Amino acid sequence: EAQVTQNPRYLITVTGKKLTVTCSQNMNHEYMSWYRQDPGLGLRQIYYSMNVEVTDKGDVPEGYKVSRKEKRNFPLILESPSPNQTSLYFCASSRNGGGDTGELFFGEGSRLTVL
Amino acid sequence: GENVEQHPSTLSVQEGDSAVIKCTYSDSASNYFPWYKQELGKGPQLIIDIRSNVGEKKDQRIAVTLNKTAKHFSLHITETQPEDSAVYFCAASNGGSQGNLIFGKGTKLSVKP
Repeated sequence: EAQVTQNPRYLITVTGKKLTVTCSQNMNHEYMSWYRQDPGLGLRQIYYSMNVEVTDKGDVPEGYKVSRKEKRNFPLILESPSPNQTSLYFCASSRNGGGDTGELFFGEGSRLTVL
Repeated sequence: GENVEQHPSTLSVQEGDSAVIKCTYSDSASNYFPWYKQELGKGPQLIIDIRSNVGEKKDQRIAVTLNKTAKHFSLHITETQPEDSAVYFCAASNGGSQGNLIFGKGTKLSVKP
């Protein structure tokens, strides 16, 4: 089954404790992206990757890191989480480029709480 | 950069009625306009999209219209059903090397039986 898998789905952590949210897709997509969803703010892009070893900042990259060492994986790293990073995070992928090709496939989301 | 405004933020209709959600965009170079539906506890899913070379597209009870001159596009759902209840997001993109989508803030649609 074609899918984007995120882990963990739920996480409560404390300020400053490094964490990684993993994202994996099995569709051989070149493009992957991370979004955060907050009430009243919609979906805001954090980072995206057009291909392996190519990453770039989205609209709200502060406090986050990403890497794209393999085509299928695109982990989101919070080196020193803060309470303002409490949010619902979505990973997404598409064939080549989220805007030009059409459909973005989203994961089920990871709800992160930073105390 | 692109900015997408979406209205209304919440919409409540009776089952069988129509629902309309409107979006405006700022970048006249944008040429791709998808709509995503997010059901409770799930990630958004594409339901329909339109490119700038057409003015309207229909898929069963769902239609999208685009007015490039006015820079706005709309989602129309006819004969609404309870399972249409969800959050709907519009988005816009100008394609190109980045091809990134800019999303609106979302509309929570409630269809009352």
